[in-house]
Amino acid sequence: NAGVTQTPKFRVLKTGQSMTLLCAQDMNHEYMYWYRQDPGMGLRLIHYSVGEGTTAKGEVPDGYNVSRLKKQNFLLGLESAAPSQTSVYFCASSYPTGTGGAKFTDTQYFGPGTRLTVL
Amino acid sequence: AQSVAQPEDQVNVAEGNPLTVKCTYSVSGNPYLFWYVQYPNRGLQFLLKYITGDNLVKGSYGFEAEFNKSQTSFHLKKPSALVSDSALYFCAANYNAGNNRKLIWGLGTSLAVNP
Repeated sequence: NAGVTQTPKFRVLKTGQSMTLLCAQDMNHEYMYWYRQDPGMGLRLIHYSVGEGTTAKGEVPDGYNVSRLKKQNFLLGLESAAPSQTSVYFCASSYPTGTGGAKFTDTQYFGPGTRLTVL
Repeated sequence: AQSVAQPEDQVNVAEGNPLTVKCTYSVSGNPYLFWYVQYPNRGLQFLLKYITGDNLVKGSYGFEAEFNKSQTSFHLKKPSALVSDSALYFCAANYNAGNNRKLIWGLGTSLAVNP
């Protein structure tokens, strides 16, 4: 049981390049999240998904796109990377204990992170 | 504005001594409150959460947290610190935001336990 895994662990991009970060979970969780962590800013939610085929914007969605084609995978894309996107990116998943959409009340399980540098 | 504050960037404590990591919140309604821990180069791990009921919540690794509604605080505590407790600790609050609920995170407190 690997939990939540993220690929890659490190990446360096040049401004304008694109890339996709992959998150995979083997816990059959319905909900998945992408966060970025920056010094002095804490964790900020980028996008999230409450189920296969659904995505929603979080607190800081600009410059990112996501897809959830399979329940176990949640992809985060940067179409044209900018230095402001230099950050550590964390994926998380959770199993909803309530009904009616994302309530963010559930325990989240985090991946190990991806450290992205945009030059 | 909704907020979660962790007033101390860093806490230093000697091994074997009790530790406290502080968290205060300013959110609407009745929040769910969480503590997560992040070890170096790792993702966050859930420690404990408060939903309702007993104000003292027990969690993983011997940690506990006390919910104080009048002081809007949710401080993390451990009776006897271990060097292996050295990590970054995050408090988070889940609150009502109109028709939805949202989760807001503190900025984290770095705990250093000295041998």
